[in-house]
Amino acid sequence: GQQVMQIPQYQHVQEGEDFTTYCNSSTTLSNIQWYKQRPGGHPVFLIQLVKSGEVKKQKRLTFQFGEAKKNSSLHITATQTTDVGTYFCAGLVDSSYKLIFGSGTRLLVRP
Amino acid sequence: DVKVTQSSRYLVKRTGEKVFLECVQDMDHENMFWYRQDPGLGLRLIYFSYDVKMKEKGDIPEGYSVSREKKERFSLILESASTNQTSMYLCASSPTFEKPGQTSYEQYFGPGTRLTVT
Repeated sequence: GQQVMQIPQYQHVQEGEDFTTYCNSSTTLSNIQWYKQRPGGHPVFLIQLVKSGEVKKQKRLTFQFGEAKKNSSLHITATQTTDVGTYFCAGLVDSSYKLIFGSGTRLLVRP
Repeated sequence: DVKVTQSSRYLVKRTGEKVFLECVQDMDHENMFWYRQDPGLGLRLIYFSYDVKMKEKGDIPEGYSVSREKKERFSLILESASTNQTSMYLCASSPTFEKPGQTSYEQYFGPGTRLTVT
């Protein structure tokens, strides 16, 4: 079936280092969304990318959507302890209601 | 702000019991979803509903059923709970396609119910 693979599963960085998580889909996506889940919390929407090759920035976070609309990445510059959490990508297929979530990347930041 | 609430944060049930998980949203969203979250597996869709009394199976519907009698409420039912249904259950809602001022398909999640079946 349709899958969205996400790597790495874990990343432990020193505060100030950069961090990147990658998502790859087996099928072309209508759009891709990114969510952040703080420890003990629930997923919270960060951003949505719709266009092929799209790049969006939110302060230290940069999101990219691949040209073929099959992959995406989230890059955090100069991580802070407030960035701790699990980051999920979620792809929307064929303009349906159904999001396919990646398995998530858990980010830990050493102060 | 959108608010999605779930009836319990923690629940402990015995094998074979019938379990009801309730979810209510206050933003008049058409779409509602039930996911389960397990370590290393991300969020897996159990069922979703795009309108009152309408439902669609997700990726893992076996052992579950749902009910949507009112727009704001979406219930997940475990007909006969089993230990492999021990998990975190997350409810979400979203508006339907292309509403002015809203991001299409963005999902709003409830706080989750951690269910333990013993």
